[in-house]
Amino acid sequence: EAGVVQSPRYKIIEKKQPVAFWCNPISGHNTLYWYRQNLGQGPELLIRYENEEAVDDSQLPKDRFSAERLKGVDSTLKIQPAELGDSAVYLCASSLLSSEQFFGPGTRLTVL
Amino acid sequence: KQEVTQIPAALSVPEGENLVLNCSFTDSAIYNLQWFRQDPGKGLTSLLLIQSSQREQTSGRLNASLDKSSGRSTLYIAASQPGDSATYLCAVDTGANSKLTFGKGITLSVRP
Repeated sequence: EAGVVQSPRYKIIEKKQPVAFWCNPISGHNTLYWYRQNLGQGPELLIRYENEEAVDDSQLPKDRFSAERLKGVDSTLKIQPAELGDSAVYLCASSLLSSEQFFGPGTRLTVL
Repeated sequence: KQEVTQIPAALSVPEGENLVLNCSFTDSAIYNLQWFRQDPGKGLTSLLLIQSSQREQTSGRLNASLDKSSGRSTLYIAASQPGDSATYLCAVDTGANSKLTFGKGITLSVRP
């Protein structure tokens, strides 16, 4: 069974530029999560989807971050414009009916 | 607000030693608790999931226990190997929106 797929694995951009991350969850998993992990810290939830609906986006900085999950499968997380403090690892996870969560390899973002 | 603590931040042991990693949480009203492993530059690998009604879970050389009333969980690793070297993260799900709250992790080094 294929795991959670994320791309790109690494991204380096200059501040004020836009950036987008893509996630393909495990087949059949209806719940998808985006987390951000800063160096030396545990991941923190940004947004959670159940199928196509964003059911928890309370931690998403909505002035510059946006996300979508069209058709309830793949998801894209976008930052526009990026700031220096956005440098982190962005992790996508999926689960079946909000149970055990499985994580992808993450996208390491560096903002210069 | 749920807070998860993992102490110490780092641990170094000789190969073959049995060891215990500790995790504590402030709100005992949890839905489940998950232990993850994270290798440098990688995503999170789920090791064990303990439901709130369970006391422990075992997988190979790993055993995780849960004591909700005291707000503690332990991950026991038997006969440690250099390949066990990684960061181990504990995360609790309070059931409210299936949000995982993570500790900062314990970086384990097993010396040959």
